[in-house]
Amino acid sequence: DAKTTQPNSMESNEEEPVHLPCNHSTISGTDYIHWYRQLPSQGPEYVIHGLTSNVNNRMASLAIAEDRKSSTLILHRATLRDAAVYYCIQPSMRFGAGTRLTVKP
Amino acid sequence: DADVTQTPRNRITKTGKRIMLECSQTKGHDRMYWYRQDPGLGLRLIYYSFDVKDINKGEISDGYSVSRQAQAKFSLSLESAIPNQTALYFCATSAREYQETQYFGPGTRLLVL
Repeated sequence: DAKTTQPNSMESNEEEPVHLPCNHSTISGTDYIHWYRQLPSQGPEYVIHGLTSNVNNRMASLAIAEDRKSSTLILHRATLRDAAVYYCIQPSMRFGAGTRLTVKP
Repeated sequence: DADVTQTPRNRITKTGKRIMLECSQTKGHDRMYWYRQDPGLGLRLIYYSFDVKDINKGEISDGYSVSRQAQAKFSLSLESAIPNQTALYFCATSAREYQETQYFGPGTRLLVL
């Protein structure tokens, strides 16, 4: 069964970069990794996804390991509005508990 | 206007009552999903539908049923609500393509007394 592993929580200081890790050792060769985040009292929202190459968009960057067994979501300059729970998932529709990111001013 | 809407946003009901949560989307997506979220936990899949005639059970379908009335509408029913169904419920949609991104509604907060 497809499963991802993330730390339960992480802290960051405002304006500093944040690297959120995810292990997905059972990922198949054609599965994308998706990242979502859930702000307080809201539904999850899409952040970024990728297959093999590193990906960038206006919200974040995604670095995927060469063996594809792990990936890292990078927020280049954390803001207080980035405080949320971040989920990485494979296309199995199974969300784990995610990583709760706290951003300190 | 929101692409994925859920009604009601909040609901209090009593044990044994039947309740329906509704989801509508204007994204034109074929696939729709129902999840529940308990405090401090991630989302768990209840049911999903890949098109109007395709309904599938998720991780935790016991005690729930669904109806896909049209491409744009997917309803979740609790036939006889019980207190441990108190949770936050989310609807989501995605396009037909494999590896598709899911788009979530704002959620329905349900309290069963």
